[in-house]
Amino acid sequence: GAGVSQTPSNKVTEKGKYVELRCDPISGHTALYWYRQSLGQGPEFLIYFQGTGAADDSGLPNDRFFAVRPEGSVSTLKIQRTERGDSAVYLCASSLTAKETQYFGPGTRLLVL
Amino acid sequence: AQSVTQLDSQVPVFEEAPVELRCNYSSSVSVYLFWYVQYPNQGLQLLLKYLSGSTLVKGINGFEAEFNKSQTSFHLRKPSVHISDTAEYFCAVSELDTDKLIFGTGTRLQVFP
Repeated sequence: GAGVSQTPSNKVTEKGKYVELRCDPISGHTALYWYRQSLGQGPEFLIYFQGTGAADDSGLPNDRFFAVRPEGSVSTLKIQRTERGDSAVYLCASSLTAKETQYFGPGTRLLVL
Repeated sequence: AQSVTQLDSQVPVFEEAPVELRCNYSSSVSVYLFWYVQYPNQGLQLLLKYLSGSTLVKGINGFEAEFNKSQTSFHLRKPSVHISDTAEYFCAVSELDTDKLIFGTGTRLQVFP
């Protein structure tokens, strides 16, 4: 079956612009996670959804970052007023339920110029 | 707070040699432990996980890991590596009452012919 998909695969933007990153989880998976991977680092947790609600958003670095999952399936990570330090690979993962194995998508590589 | 340490950023090894990738964690509570692999230009893939029970865990592609609670370690081993094992390997931990994964900084395994 289809895995986790993320679009776009690459995004180049200018400092100060707004970006949206999309994640399509595996069908039927109720839990969805966003991570950020900077160059030479491991993935860093951002936010976790169980269904439509954000169960844990403790990893969001500041209020420029926001994520939604309005229908409990597709999720969008939104970054306002992008900064060069936001450049990273943004990873999405989904699991059947909480505490099940997380399956990762290929990521969106964001470059802020 | 939880943390994961992968002391070796790079491990070079010849084909058919054994390999051990080290992982130590710190946590004040019980944890689940994971190893993920990231092949070039691909997403993270679960190699194996420890949830409970036997401390020796077998995963895909001939890898295994042993959970050592007293040493807070979860080292990954393979008795004979292949060129195709060349990849980045990430150790991760999750506390029992949370769902987010905390990753180490990764170990790049380079297998030479």
